[in-house]
Amino acid sequence: ETGVTQTPRHLVMGMTNKKSLKCEQHLGHNAMYWYKQSAKKPLELMFVYSLEERVENNSVPSRFSPECPNSSHLFLHLHTLQPEDSALYLCASSQDGGRNQPQHFGDGTRLSIL
Amino acid sequence: QQQVKQSPQSLIVQKGGIPIINCAYENTAFDYFPWYQQFPGKGPALLIAIRPDVSEKKEGRFTISFNKSAKQFSLHIMDSQPGDSATYFCAASKGDDKIIFGKGTRLHILP
Repeated sequence: ETGVTQTPRHLVMGMTNKKSLKCEQHLGHNAMYWYKQSAKKPLELMFVYSLEERVENNSVPSRFSPECPNSSHLFLHLHTLQPEDSALYLCASSQDGGRNQPQHFGDGTRLSIL
Repeated sequence: QQQVKQSPQSLIVQKGGIPIINCAYENTAFDYFPWYQQFPGKGPALLIAIRPDVSEKKEGRFTISFNKSAKQFSLHIMDSQPGDSATYFCAASKGDDKIIFGKGTRLHILP
């Protein structure tokens, strides 16, 4: 157990659907992250939240919409996705927003876009 | 300049051998170099990390060697075991900037 739980583990959706990914951390951390992991590519940082405020958005398309209602929960709302959005989406947390700290990852949501 | 170049892409080693994974960077401002290990179906987990003020760090069978002048660092796994088969990612960061990950090395240890 990493202390970071992601649901669902697998998701198949059509391009016109709307779905949400959920992440919950039980580590008492103040920073949470969304990453995209595609085959043969480096991990791509999508969003960073520190103390529930978004501090970084790495030019992610608007069809991905994050929400951080409190320091323990992070959501990624999805709508009108494209086939190239199929990937493993990883949530991570760290003690605070300083990057020279270990990041604790969940096991990811495997997303497939039909 | 923000890239971290990792090699090889994949590696097969006999049990007991010493796999070596190499990473190179350009940005001399990087000051934190972690390695993450990822098993199939799991998220990455921090394995070991080093800062540029030391040239080597060991944790159990895992060793990071750091060459500041060459802007390179590498991971060695001593007495490798089939259970070490996983994907390994090097990374680098500076201050409050985002972590930059390498593309990963898929390691397979033959029994």
